Amino acid sequence: DAKTTQPNSMESNEEEPVHLPCNHSTISGTDYIHWYRQLPSQGPEYVIHGLTSNVNNRMASLAIAEDRKSSTLILHRATLRDAAVYYCILKSGGSNYKLTFGKGTLLTVNP
Amino acid sequence: NAGVTQTPKFQVLKTGQSMTLQCAQDMNHEYMSWYRQDPGMGLRLIHYSVGAGITDQGEVPNGYNVSRSTTEDFPLRLLSAAPSQTSVYFCASSYRGATNEKLFFGSGTQLSVL
Repeated sequence: DAKTTQPNSMESNEEEPVHLPCNHSTISGTDYIHWYRQLPSQGPEYVIHGLTSNVNNRMASLAIAEDRKSSTLILHRATLRDAAVYYCILKSGGSNYKLTFGKGTLLTVNP
Repeated sequence: NAGVTQTPKFQVLKTGQSMTLQCAQDMNHEYMSWYRQDPGMGLRLIHYSVGAGITDQGEVPNGYNVSRSTTEDFPLRLLSAAPSQTSVYFCASSYRGATNEKLFFGSGTQLSVL
């Protein structure tokens, strides 16, 4: 399975943009890039996903490198409620339903 | 629309006891799965199902059994609990488990085995 690499932790200030990086150098052509986040004492929550093009939704933006070997989750204006562990995951096609979560990036948001 | 519902939220067991963690979803999702999360770790897949009557093993299946008799329910059974099974358990579902589908997670069951 293709793996992802994320920084263990990042820090941001409230109302500033946050760029969370993810490296996935062994990504295959059919792998989707998914991002989830987990707030303290809660289950993971879907944030965004994409294949090749950049994606936007109400929660965040996903910027995907042209070679697809890296991506960046962008929170445009961080709030205290965005403090969470953010997971970057590759979801493979075919018969592989085994979604693998790494340790993610712990985002701290300072007031 | 309740989404994914897990019960109980907390459970304490003694070594050797058995129990069933319940998971139900009301979104008519074909794909359901169970994960465990240990302190400081990401989630690890235990078992998953792609439809009623169909189950398969994930990354850490030993010590756990599953069955899928209905689309809505996917219970996880611990036949003889061990302290190594102390963890937080999450159930998740998606429409068919396809690569471009998002997973919906339950709020988790915190299990302690003494």
